[in-house]
Amino acid sequence: DAKTTQPNSMESNEEEPVHLPCNHSTISGTDYIHWYRQLPSQGPEYVIHGLTSNVNNRMASLAIAEDRKSSTLILHRATLRDAAVYYCILRDTSTGFQKLVFGTGTRLLVSP
Amino acid sequence: NAGVMQNPRHLVRRRGQEARLRCSPMKGHSHVYWYRQLPEEGLKFMVYLQKENIIDESGMPKERFSAEFPKEGPSILRIQQVVRGDSAAYFCASSLLEDYGYTFGSGTRLTVV
Repeated sequence: DAKTTQPNSMESNEEEPVHLPCNHSTISGTDYIHWYRQLPSQGPEYVIHGLTSNVNNRMASLAIAEDRKSSTLILHRATLRDAAVYYCILRDTSTGFQKLVFGTGTRLLVSP
Repeated sequence: NAGVMQNPRHLVRRRGQEARLRCSPMKGHSHVYWYRQLPEEGLKFMVYLQKENIIDESGMPKERFSAEFPKEGPSILRIQQVVRGDSAAYFCASSLLEDYGYTFGSGTRLTVV
């Protein structure tokens, strides 16, 4: 599995934007970039995914570098409920089953 | 439309007993995945099942652990003769197709005393 590198932790204040970076310099052309997050004492939940173009949904935005070697998950206005561990995962779906492989993620702390 | 249901939420077993963890996937989902999360660690893949078939069990310990997803009923993760090192949160996820996103349950927290 292609590897991703994320900071161990980041801090933010409530109602401010948060940019969570992810480096994936060995990404291949068929790797999708997925983001999941895990709130305390809960299972992970899907946030967003993309291949080449930037993506937006109701939870977040995903900005993908032109060379695809890095990406940034953007939470436009952090709330206390966004405090979680955020996982950036590469997933190649071109050749059948490819399980989600979780790294250590970024622990986001949100202060009031 | 209920999400992925796991039960029990908490399970306490004495060393040497058996633990049975159940997972009901989302309606219409036929792909089930089990992950284990040790305290203060990341999630580790254990097994991927479709109805009546084990597709990938590369993350399952070779002994004491087994999983099934019968034609009818929930998927079961079974741990025989539990040891303290089995204490962890066990998460189940399901997906509509194998290359779709996963929906996770809230997990079963197993404590071995």
